[in-house]
Amino acid sequence: QQQVKQSPQSLIVQKGGISIINCAYENTAFDYFPWYQQFPGKGPALLIAIRPDVSEKKEGRFTISFNKSAKQFSLHIMDSQPGDSATYFCAASMTLTGGGADGLTFGKGTHLIIQP
Amino acid sequence: DTAVSQTPKYLVTQMGNDKSIKCEQNLGHDTMYWYKQDSKKFLKIMFSYNNKELIINETVPNRFSPKSPDKAHLNLHINSLELGDSAVYFCASSQMFQGRSEQYFGPGTRLTVT
Repeated sequence: QQQVKQSPQSLIVQKGGISIINCAYENTAFDYFPWYQQFPGKGPALLIAIRPDVSEKKEGRFTISFNKSAKQFSLHIMDSQPGDSATYFCAASMTLTGGGADGLTFGKGTHLIIQP
Repeated sequence: DTAVSQTPKYLVTQMGNDKSIKCEQNLGHDTMYWYKQDSKKFLKIMFSYNNKELIINETVPNRFSPKSPDKAHLNLHINSLELGDSAVYFCASSQMFQGRSEQYFGPGTRLTVT
């Protein structure tokens, strides 16, 4: 059972355009939703994250939109640049009863290509 | 300066061997993790560990075992390696702070079992 579903699997956007990646989750115990960016041969790097008590978070060109009732969240990349070409992963985790953080449950990833 | 480091970066070995991957974090975090990324790039949690508890993903074979000599290190030991163990393994660490727990990943270890 895949707890975090991500779409699309691949995405091509023109330079300067808006890239949009969507995720949906099933477990209502999730309380932390990060996005990671991964370049070939590198580890995933934290891009931006949101908690369910806010509906939107913006950091530079990156924005997360969160819809708690629909159990969906999305990443918007404004003014997309060729350097943004990478694989993007949404993820979710929950706070454990002892106060620690559970491991991340990842979506399957989106391969984003920004064409010059 | 590297926050989360792993060694080795590449590991090629034969079926049936036992191997270890080392992970160190200098962030002072209290929780560390191991993830497996398969050939389709799917990332899956294997273990999370802090000084209070070890959480094991139920799908991980018991040939895999985490070993933590201290708070800054979480090594991954693999017994009787199989072809299906070929993947990239990532170590990560995090610290709970004001309800947030940002996980930082290492550069990965590409394991190839022949």
